[in-house]
Amino acid sequence: EDQVTQSPEALRLQEGESSSLNCSYTVSGLRGLFWYRQDPGKGPEFLFTLYSAGEEKEKERLKATLTKKESFLHITAPKPEDSATYLCAVQASQGNLIFGKGTKLSVKP
Amino acid sequence: DADVTQTPRNRITKTGKRIMLECSQTKGHDRMYWYRQDPGLGLRLIYYSFDVKDINKGEISDGYSVSRQAQAKFSLSLESAIPNQTALYFCATSEGVDYGYTFGSGTRLTVV
Repeated sequence: EDQVTQSPEALRLQEGESSSLNCSYTVSGLRGLFWYRQDPGKGPEFLFTLYSAGEEKEKERLKATLTKKESFLHITAPKPEDSATYLCAVQASQGNLIFGKGTKLSVKP
Repeated sequence: DADVTQTPRNRITKTGKRIMLECSQTKGHDRMYWYRQDPGLGLRLIYYSFDVKDINKGEISDGYSVSRQAQAKFSLSLESAIPNQTALYFCATSEGVDYGYTFGSGTRLTVV
């Protein structure tokens, strides 16, 4: 069964304190791993797609990496505006996405 | 205008009532999806459609039905609403298998 597990459930950081979010997955034949950002009361916003182990993508203070079993979202020198819930998802064989439960990130000034 | 528009944004309804949530998209994509989001459970797939003539059940389709009226429109119905269908509902669209989703802003549904 395809499955996505994210950790930690919640993360509190001070502004400037770098850290990483984890997404571990089990899927038969990975076709893509996706990261989304979700602000309260809003729909998830697409960040990255990773397709193969070793691949990395960056956007501002965020960098996503992928191995054969997990993905990391590295946040470098975060700012309060980076506070959000970050969702990880994998592409299932039918073509739909299976989401993890998310990591709620809070960055304090 | 938003790429994916959901109506209504908020709705309170009574147990046993029939309710329809509507979704329209301007992306021109064939694929559309309905998810619900509950605290602690994440996003779970209700139904998805890969084109106007293709409708598929997702992980949690019981108690729900859908209608794909056109490429741009995908509606979700609760035939007889029950309190445990209280949740945040999202519609999404995608260009294809290897592409990310574009989500709407969600409908917050409360069944009392």
